[in-house]
Amino acid sequence: GAGVSQSPSNKVTEKGKDVELRCDPISGHTALYWYRQSLGQGLEFLIYFQGNSAPDKSGLPSDRFSAERTGGSVSTLTIQRTQQEDSAVYLCASSFYGFSPGLAGGPRGETQYFGPGTRLLVL
Amino acid sequence: KQEVTQIPAALSVPEGENLVLNCSFTDSAIYNLQWFRQDPGKGLTSLLLIQSSQREQTSGRLNASLDKSSGRSTLYIAASQPGDSATYLCAVRSRDDKIIFGKGTRLHILP
Repeated sequence: GAGVSQSPSNKVTEKGKDVELRCDPISGHTALYWYRQSLGQGLEFLIYFQGNSAPDKSGLPSDRFSAERTGGSVSTLTIQRTQQEDSAVYLCASSFYGFSPGLAGGPRGETQYFGPGTRLLVL
Repeated sequence: KQEVTQIPAALSVPEGENLVLNCSFTDSAIYNLQWFRQDPGKGLTSLLLIQSSQREQTSGRLNASLDKSSGRSTLYIAASQPGDSATYLCAVRSRDDKIIFGKGTRLHILP
């Protein structure tokens, strides 16, 4: 597609339920990133995929959070047993290249393009 | 631990003025720094990305500079317009492959 898309745009759930957030990156982009932005807070980096693999999962807030990417395209962020503090806007971004300093992507290759986000409210 | 700070948190200027937004970071070992704008209720739009080996990037009325040794970047907006009103975020990619964002500067251009 023309840009990064995310679904759903809004999600209201009850505490303790599982939720799944989806991200469709720009076609051809090899890198995909998940962030969250809590009310009044800055953006928090969660996880990064290069292709289908995530080299570093330490940014995920707890073991209730997991993410996967299949086929080098769509990614899902799953939050199990949601808590009220999980309420936030979850943003996804993609870039042509990822964290690969040796590649000749340059500024254009590493520029991240963001989706509109999923606004999650846990009651 | 890398920390990114943006000052001021909010700024209001009359239309037509030139302005500077500031971003500072504590660890100079970065791969790049990127400036974004965020409009209310919307996702982020990438404005400029500066590699660690570069000193500035320009796009239209925007100019971003990077002084890695002092841990500072500025975003210069020339001839501001009401459409420039948004929150501006800077983010650094650290050597440990983390991306750290500042909390942003909320800019309001007065018509």
